Amino acid sequence: GAVVSQHPSWVICKSGTSVKIECRSLDFQATTMFWYRQFPKQSLMLMATSNEGSKATYEQGVEKDKFLINHASLTLSTLTVTSAHPEDSSFYICSARPSGGNTGELFFGEGSRLTVL
Amino acid sequence: RKEVEQDPGPFNVPEGATVAFNCTYSNSASQSFFWYRQDCRKEPKLLMSVYSSGNEDGRFTAQLNRASQYISLLIRDSKLSDSATYLCAVRGLGFNKFYFGSGTKLNVKP
Repeated sequence: GAVVSQHPSWVICKSGTSVKIECRSLDFQATTMFWYRQFPKQSLMLMATSNEGSKATYEQGVEKDKFLINHASLTLSTLTVTSAHPEDSSFYICSARPSGGNTGELFFGEGSRLTVL
Repeated sequence: RKEVEQDPGPFNVPEGATVAFNCTYSNSASQSFFWYRQDCRKEPKLLMSVYSSGNEDGRFTAQLNRASQYISLLIRDSKLSDSATYLCAVRGLGFNKFYFGSGTKLNVKP
């Protein structure tokens, strides 16, 4: 299946710092990528849809100035958690669907576990 | 109301048992349906798509009931390695947003 790579897998940072997470589609192009957040024992919550060459679309309740998304190329989207606080600690997962693909399924990155001290 | 709802479980079953999970969705215009498997502290991995006519892949059978707006997953002859959390996913109109259920945890015991 298609491969999506996410980096870093783990990150620990101090409160108030910013953290950047990268999501790459390794063997396909993706005009759209999705960023999810998952708290322990909870569902994946869609945060935003990342669109190549244009602004991301954020879900209701997600602060766009706190979670900066950049989708500069067809294979890379980045999520920056700005001024992170302990409540931002979570499992962040990106996903992508091949452009032009008709199966509709999503492929996920390995996830990034963020711990804010 | 949540887009997708699932019984969180856990379902504790012995090896060899048959177990079924259901998942309901709220948007009748939803286009596509999937079951994902998620192991502890890992990303979800696609288990199978769900087609209107129902589909089977080995020990796994998925079904869709559009009238009642639910999808199901049946696992026959459970193996220890089937222990995981099973997430249903629904793709919205416009081929874009995917919504996930909270997941159903399955524990298969010897």
